[in-house]
Amino acid sequence: EAGVTQFPSHSVIEKGQTVTLRCDPISGHDNLYWYRRVMGKEIKFLLHFVKESKQDESGMPNNRFLAERTGGTYSTLKVQPAELEDSGVYFCASSQTAGPNSPLHFGNGTRLTVT
Amino acid sequence: AQRVTQPEKLLSVFKGAPVELKCNYSYSGSPELFWYVQYSRQRLQLLLRHISRESIKGFTADLNKGETSFHLKKPFAQEEDSAMYYCALKGRNTGFQKLVFGTGTRLLVSP
Repeated sequence: EAGVTQFPSHSVIEKGQTVTLRCDPISGHDNLYWYRRVMGKEIKFLLHFVKESKQDESGMPNNRFLAERTGGTYSTLKVQPAELEDSGVYFCASSQTAGPNSPLHFGNGTRLTVT
Repeated sequence: AQRVTQPEKLLSVFKGAPVELKCNYSYSGSPELFWYVQYSRQRLQLLLRHISRESIKGFTADLNKGETSFHLKKPFAQEEDSAMYYCALKGRNTGFQKLVFGTGTRLLVSP
């Protein structure tokens, strides 16, 4: 099966610009998650979708971040306007169900650099 | 507060030596603990979870509630074990995979 796909793999933007990250989960996976690793720190949960609905967005840092999952398929994460501290690796993951027996499948991540 | 601590950023061992990657956690309820691994140029993937009590690629991890630890062990390290290892937890009553990760430990196994 095709894995979780993230695009782009790298993005370098200037402070104040807008960037949109995309995640295509494994087909049939209703649960989609966004995580982020800022350099030198732990991987942190951002939010969780079940199909097109946001179930938990408690990890979103602030209102400059907007995640969508229209139609319950792929998801986008927009950062507008980007700040220096937004630099990091953004991971997307999906799972078939939300339970513990349904492991997370991660994408390769998008490395975002804000200069 | 939920927290996972991996005290070692880098662990360097020789092939055939025993390996122990340390993980301590802080959680007020009943946690589920996981180890995730990221090999070079590969994606993050689940290695093992404590509820399965399994051994994957020779690695085992035992949940010690008294010491709040979930250390990852392997008796004889192999070069292909070199990777970044992340310990993670979630609340047992959390219905979805909202994981709290540690900062990771890079394991380097030299020939």
